[in-house]
Amino acid sequence: DAGVTQSPTHLIKTRGQQVTLRCSPKSGHDTVSWYQQALGQGPQFIFQYYEEEERQRGNFPDRFSGHQFPNYSSELNVNALLLGDSALYLCASSLVASGGRVDTQYFGPGTRLTVL
Amino acid sequence: AQTVTQSQPEMSVQEAETVTLSCTYDTSESDYYLFWYKQPPSRQMILVIRQEAYKQQNATENRFSVNFQKAAKSFSLKISDSQLGDAAMYFCAYRSGVDDKIIFGKGTRLHILP
Repeated sequence: DAGVTQSPTHLIKTRGQQVTLRCSPKSGHDTVSWYQQALGQGPQFIFQYYEEEERQRGNFPDRFSGHQFPNYSSELNVNALLLGDSALYLCASSLVASGGRVDTQYFGPGTRLTVL
Repeated sequence: AQTVTQSQPEMSVQEAETVTLSCTYDTSESDYYLFWYKQPPSRQMILVIRQEAYKQQNATENRFSVNFQKAAKSFSLKISDSQLGDAAMYFCAYRSGVDDKIIFGKGTRLHILP
């Protein structure tokens, strides 16, 4: 049973460019959450996707957008990249349980984005 | 807003010894979950242990156990019989019972001395 997978592993971009990161959830999971982890910090919640819609959003600008596909995989898009966007981007998958909240979130290995 | 504080940026423990990592949190909610995640150099965030706030009994997973003090808003992690593979960054995390975002502390880097 494959866990959460993310691609690419590493990415280097320049300021002003756009980037797309990809995530495939653990088998049987229907919800994907994205987190940004700056160097030396804990992850920060960006947003969550369920049933192909953004379900919840953290305190991130509109430059950060996402998408969820019918097979539950997800993309994170960041436009007009800034130096401060350099970070490890983590994807976590989970399953919506009874009551509408997700069960435990399982994380992928992350994508390291460097903006020059 | 909820916050999670880990006051120990780094800790070291001798192999086979016991170590306790500290965590405090702030919330006005009564329904929530607490977690300890481990992040080794491979970057994969691994769930170590989970505690539901409504449960009075402290969670235990093999060599890992927590001391959950709800009134004090404290949630420490005890690692018994420390092994070299336990070396990693450990994050304490909070999740509200009414939404799904996880709030992480800044982490504690644990070194295991052979």
